[in-house]
Amino acid sequence: SQKIEQNSEALNIQEGKTATLTCNYTNYSPAYLQWYRQDPGRGPVFLLLIRENEKEKRKERLKVTFDTTLKQSLFHITASQPADSATYLCAPLYNFNKFYFGSGTKLNVKP
Amino acid sequence: EAGVTQFPSHSVIEKGQTVTLRCDPISGHDNLYWYRRVMGKEIKFLLHFVKESKQDESGMPNNRFLAERTGGTYSTLKVQPAELEDSGVYFCASSQRQQTAPLHFGNGTRLTVT
Repeated sequence: SQKIEQNSEALNIQEGKTATLTCNYTNYSPAYLQWYRQDPGRGPVFLLLIRENEKEKRKERLKVTFDTTLKQSLFHITASQPADSATYLCAPLYNFNKFYFGSGTKLNVKP
Repeated sequence: EAGVTQFPSHSVIEKGQTVTLRCDPISGHDNLYWYRRVMGKEIKFLLHFVKESKQDESGMPNNRFLAERTGGTYSTLKVQPAELEDSGVYFCASSQRQQTAPLHFGNGTRLTVT
């Protein structure tokens, strides 16, 4: 089965800096990869989707890259704010409508 | 639009008892999923409905778990009899038919089996 690896340790950064989160996957590349944000006590919320043939996708302060050679996706938040503090999950799509989720990386943005 | 709602938000039961979780997806969403997060671990897929049909139930841990989606609207997930290892947060998500459609999650049901 597919294994999704995200940094289990929390990422602590200063407000205004760029946060970079990593998602590595094993075996074959997914057709799509989505990123979600999860706040305590809430369900994940969709942020961005990137396709296999796309290298980069942007949305406001968010940027996602997808490197099928490295089997890795990077998620960047520029000009980070304390409100960006949350757990971020990557979710590759392999089979029809079946998403696998990583365990997530907790981001702490300090003012 | 109303989001995905789950009920109850918390449930504490004793080992051997039965619990039924309910999920109301976003109206019009054909896809409905159940996921589970055991403490400290990743969110794991349990099963996927397309309308009332089970598309994939490969993630269901054993036959103590039964999911239904009668009429293709709301879904229930029953655990009978519950075991200690069933404790965790159960998430329901729904999406439109397109393969790239994002999942819309409910806030989950926190199940504690004592």
